[in-house]
Amino acid sequence: RKEVEQDPGPFNVPEGATVAFNCTYSNSASQSFFWYRQDCRKEPKLLMSVYSSGNEDGRFTAQLNRASQYISLLIRDSKLSDSATYLCVIGNTGGFKTIFGAGTRLFVKA
Amino acid sequence: GAGVSQSPSNKVTEKGKDVELRCDPISGHTALYWYRQSLGQGLEFLIYFQGNSAPDKSGLPSDRFSAERTGGSVSTLTIQRTQQEDSAVYLCASSHDNGDTQYFGPGTRLTVL
Repeated sequence: RKEVEQDPGPFNVPEGATVAFNCTYSNSASQSFFWYRQDCRKEPKLLMSVYSSGNEDGRFTAQLNRASQYISLLIRDSKLSDSATYLCVIGNTGGFKTIFGAGTRLFVKA
Repeated sequence: GAGVSQSPSNKVTEKGKDVELRCDPISGHTALYWYRQSLGQGLEFLIYFQGNSAPDKSGLPSDRFSAERTGGSVSTLTIQRTQQEDSAVYLCASSHDNGDTQYFGPGTRLTVL
């Protein structure tokens, strides 16, 4: 099993749609969880951290399921500007490195 | 405040030459990471530093790649005897501590002719 797995997509959705991505991880001792966004030919940027209780930031909702070892990202009312690659990131402490997923590509169409 | 900076932003070199890529992390960040990204591909982990030591070098593709970090700050990634397959964007990130949010620099685009 890969350390972090994401559906690569692409997800093609119309404006206004709701879309959800999942990301599974293998290390049950992982401590921190994030979603990053990467635009074409740009560096990744933090979208939001993922907390145990779940968290929301505007149209974006992130959730963590420790029992099943996955995190999710829900985007409501998709905008054209949401088109990007979404990377899930699993953070570990001590001597263990943070793991980036390969990313899920989202295209929002007019 | 100042973010992560990398230099040069672009580097074109000839096959067989050595190159040095530099990363200036956010001040006070103890963890520093190097990644490589080829066009249309995901991030490939290379190495990470905690302070000046590198607990994990497992991602370095070959012994032509090396990295160091001095004074718990600036890091240099060196690629010796470059090959065409080394062409990629090399991204550096730093975080307050390992496992915390990583902040990325703009990357160095390396082209090996």
